[in-house]
Amino acid sequence: QKEVEQNSGPLSVPEGAIASLNCTYSDRGSQSFFWYRQYSGKSPELIMSIYSNGDKEDGRFTAQLNKASQYVSLLIRDSQPSDSATYLCAVTEMTGNQFYFGTGTSLTVIP
Amino acid sequence: DGGITQSPKYLFRKEGQNVTLSCEQNLNHDAMYWYRQDPGQGLRLIYYSQIVNDFQKGDIAEGYSVSREKKESFPLTVTSAQKNPTAFYLCASSRQGKQYFGPGTRLTVT
Repeated sequence: QKEVEQNSGPLSVPEGAIASLNCTYSDRGSQSFFWYRQYSGKSPELIMSIYSNGDKEDGRFTAQLNKASQYVSLLIRDSQPSDSATYLCAVTEMTGNQFYFGTGTSLTVIP
Repeated sequence: DGGITQSPKYLFRKEGQNVTLSCEQNLNHDAMYWYRQDPGQGLRLIYYSQIVNDFQKGDIAEGYSVSREKKESFPLTVTSAQKNPTAFYLCASSRQGKQYFGPGTRLTVT
């Protein structure tokens, strides 16, 4: 069973701070890594994808991947109350046909 | 307007009835997926399809059935054999390794 682990939180940060979300995965052959944002009662929305070791930045979001440690993280700079949501980590296996999701980390940004 | 549509948004059924959830996409994506989400849990894969007329069971396929007669459509039937059908059902499609979700259908069975 391929596992994706996330700290369920809740994680609370003040507005303007950096939020750090972490994810570990069990399958060393995992190929692609994604972060989704899910507002309460809504469906997940893809916000970041990363495929190789290192950092990838997109606006206030930075995804970090370390395949040796089987670890992927998401940093949100200058956190806003609108960032309050559950963040899901997802990975794909070798073929890329199946996606495996963590249970999500709940983030609250306090004004 | 491209995207993935799921209907209806809310669905109520009596125990013992089969119910079919609709999923349509006009993104020209080859792969389509059905997930189930329960409170406090991650997404669990029910079925997925890589091409028309072919589909594979996911981790929790028991009590569910699907068809893929057209590239654009991947309906999910929740049968009376599914013991705990009340959940949030999410349809997704993918292309070039990225997966996108429809708005979901919240099914309540009483």
